[in-house]
Amino acid sequence: AQSVSQHNHHVILSEAASLELGCNYSYGGTVNLFWYVQYPGQHLQLLLKYFSGDPLVKGIKGFEAEFIKSKFSFNLRKPSVQWSDTAEYFCAVNVGYGGSQGNLIFGKGTKLSVKP
Amino acid sequence: SAVISQKPSRDICQRGTSLTIQCQVDSQVTMMFWYRQQPGQSLTLIATANQGSEATYESGFVIDKFPISRPNLTFSTLTVSNMSPEDSSIYLCSVEDVSRIGEAFFGQGTRLTVV
Repeated sequence: AQSVSQHNHHVILSEAASLELGCNYSYGGTVNLFWYVQYPGQHLQLLLKYFSGDPLVKGIKGFEAEFIKSKFSFNLRKPSVQWSDTAEYFCAVNVGYGGSQGNLIFGKGTKLSVKP
Repeated sequence: SAVISQKPSRDICQRGTSLTIQCQVDSQVTMMFWYRQQPGQSLTLIATANQGSEATYESGFVIDKFPISRPNLTFSTLTVSNMSPEDSSIYLCSVEDVSRIGEAFFGQGTRLTVV
């Protein structure tokens, strides 16, 4: 069965530190890849996505992610985090070309705490 | 993007009782999705609800335990029936933007505690 693994349960950083959150998936076919973010007290929202083309995708608030097909990875990065980036981050994979949301598979999430 | 309102935002319920969660969307959508997020776990899809037809349940979830209604294109309910402490979770309603296949919009979730 397909699965998504997020390597870190809780990451604690100081402001201005660089961030990389790991995400690996197990599926050999076509995938669409997402990172969702949930700020405290708010709903889940899309941070960035990859469907095709340039494997380095840029999202909101200075986040970017790189799709490495050979490693089945889609790691999230930010060169300098801010206190306002404190949130929980979820990696998700949609399997199958043109698949609907019904095929979304989520990782367990990584909680990011940024110390001011 | 769709705006989704979920009610209640949280509840504490006695075991053996049932709770109905409501989900209202500000636009008409074909499919609505219900997820469960148990403590320390990933979001798990419970079922997909299409207007005018019975919901489609994922493996491990059954209609008797999680009946779903979808009376129109902007509203759905999920009932958690005969609750036990193992049902304590966050339940999320979600819709898909048909112009952005696979991209989901979520409600704020309902945090359920069963005692």
